[in-house]
Amino acid sequence: GAVVSQHPSWVICKSGTSVKIECRSLDFQATTMFWYRQFPKQSLMLMATSNEGSKATYEQGVEKDKFLINHASLTLSTLTVTSAHPEDSSFYICSAELAGGADFGPGTRLTVL
Amino acid sequence: AQSVTQPDIHITVSEGASLELRCNYSYGATPYLFWYVQSPGQGLQLLLKYFSGDTLVQGIKGFEAEFKRSQSSFNLRKPSVHWSDAAEYFCAVAPNTGTASKLTFGTGTRLQVTL
Repeated sequence: GAVVSQHPSWVICKSGTSVKIECRSLDFQATTMFWYRQFPKQSLMLMATSNEGSKATYEQGVEKDKFLINHASLTLSTLTVTSAHPEDSSFYICSAELAGGADFGPGTRLTVL
Repeated sequence: AQSVTQPDIHITVSEGASLELRCNYSYGATPYLFWYVQSPGQGLQLLLKYFSGDTLVQGIKGFEAEFKRSQSSFNLRKPSVHWSDAAEYFCAVAPNTGTASKLTFGTGTRLQVTL
């Protein structure tokens, strides 16, 4: 079946640095991917829709200059958290669009010190 | 705007007992409906989904869900819970126009199973 991977699975960084998270579709092409964030013991909130070859569409309240999304190929979308701060610490999960639903990656745990 | 409500934040059941997790949605038309399970620190696994047709949907791991249009509900059930079912369960919806991949999630129900 369809498989989506994320890298890294966890990352710790210092405040003020930038962190890049990769989301790959391993055995299929994904024109559209989605990025969610999940705070501890909370639900998943959609951050943005990543479209191959075009700009991402951000949900209301998500800072597009802080969360840079690039979808340069049909199998890779990246989320870069720029100038990370402790409040950006969260679990970031991507998904790839499939007919009849979505396939989710395993998530990336970001901790900003 | 569409929304999903899971009234029960935390449920505890004994192993072997039956389970029902509630999900209600608010949307102009019947959306696509999903149930996902998440183990601690892990990603999401799809249990089942409803798009149309038979309102009783069978999923993996012995789970089923029933869509009730009159109640705007899509409750998840399992006749006999196993200890390995302990996890967080999320109900989700997607608009029935366009992609079924852009999901709005409920707040989740944490299931604890006692032996």
